Amino acid sequence: EAGVAQSPRYKIIEKRQSVAFWCNPISGHATLYWYQQILGQGPKLLIQFQNNGVVDDSQLPKDRFSAERLKGVDSTLKIQPAKLEDSAVYLCASSPHLYEQYFGPGTRLTVT
Amino acid sequence: GEDVEQSLFLSVREGDSSVINCTYTDSSSTYLYWYKQEPGAGLQLLTYIFSNMDMKQDQRLTVLLNKKDKHLSLRIADTQTGDSAIYFCAASNQAGTALIFGKGTTLSVSS
Repeated sequence: EAGVAQSPRYKIIEKRQSVAFWCNPISGHATLYWYQQILGQGPKLLIQFQNNGVVDDSQLPKDRFSAERLKGVDSTLKIQPAKLEDSAVYLCASSPHLYEQYFGPGTRLTVT
Repeated sequence: GEDVEQSLFLSVREGDSSVINCTYTDSSSTYLYWYKQEPGAGLQLLTYIFSNMDMKQDQRLTVLLNKKDKHLSLRIADTQTGDSAIYFCAASNQAGTALIFGKGTTLSVSS
């Protein structure tokens, strides 16, 4: 079974630029999550989708971050404009049910 | 909200047992998890335990849960150099959906 796919794996941008990350979850997984992992910390939930509907986006900085999951499969996370403090690894996870989440390799974002 | 705390570092010799400890604050957390993260990689689900269980064993891994003290531990028997990684404890949030992670424990195994 193929795992969660993410691209790109690495991205370097300047502050105030925009960037987008893509995630393809495990086939059949209805729930998709985006987490932000700052260096030296555990992942923090940004947004959770159930099929193509948003379940929880309470910790998503909506003034600059947006996410969508069209057709309930792939998802994109966008940052516009980026700030220095957005430098982190962005992890996508998917789940077939409530108690198992499978993570992708992440996208490492560096904002200069 | 939920808060998860872990010690930051653990150093053991190859062949010894490793015990990584974690505390959490929300007694309503339904599931508790251990994830492993190797350098440059995503998180690998090692094991999880339902809150009505005290112990779960899976090959070299033993999870102990003390619900009264809100304490979770992961024991790795016969620790190998390949076990060197960061181990994250996580608890389900109040809705039982997303995970709240600790800051991770870096396990260093010397030969």
